[in-house]
Amino acid sequence: KAGVTQTPRYLIKTRGQQVTLSCSPISGHRSVSWYQQTPGQGLQFLFEYFSETQRNKGNFPGRFSGRQFSNSRSEMNVSTLELGDSALYLCASSVRPAGGTDTQYFGPGTRLTVL
Amino acid sequence: SQQGEEDPQALSIQEGENATMNCSYKTSINNLQWYRQNSGRGLVHLILIRSNEREKHSGRLRVTLDTSKKSSSLLITASRAADTASYFCATDGGGNEKLTFGTGTRLTIIP
Repeated sequence: KAGVTQTPRYLIKTRGQQVTLSCSPISGHRSVSWYQQTPGQGLQFLFEYFSETQRNKGNFPGRFSGRQFSNSRSEMNVSTLELGDSALYLCASSVRPAGGTDTQYFGPGTRLTVL
Repeated sequence: SQQGEEDPQALSIQEGENATMNCSYKTSINNLQWYRQNSGRGLVHLILIRSNEREKHSGRLRVTLDTSKKSSSLLITASRAADTASYFCATDGGGNEKLTFGTGTRLTIIP
């Protein structure tokens, strides 16, 4: 079974631009969660989608948004990029909603650099 | 904000030795999980321990959980060079139905 895939793997943008990242979960998984990882703040939860509905949201500004499609693929969008948005963005999928005993399977991440 | 704090932040040991890292958390939990991350890559799930369990084993891994102290430890026995990675604990519960990660321990195995 193919793992979680994320595209693109690397991205360089400039301040003020917007970016869209994509995540394809493992086949059959309906939950997709997004995380931001930075050296200073560590791993922080952005949001979770389950069956096309946002189920949970972390403490990030409204510039960060996401959505999930009927095939469970998910995208996250960051508008008006700031230097501090430079990070590794990870998505994870699971069969059932996150927070239970289901294992979350992580993708390799998208490394975003904002100049 | 992070639920868990891990200690030590960094650990270097000789290959073959045992490595122990600890995780402390703040709120009540349903489960605690440990993940490994190789440099700048995705996380790999290692083991999950439920709040009503005290100890769990998986291969060379041994996890303990003390809910009264809100702490967990991960022991890796007979370490190998391939164990070099960052290790994170993650908790769920406390009203938050999501995983909250600790700060991580950077483990280096010296061949």
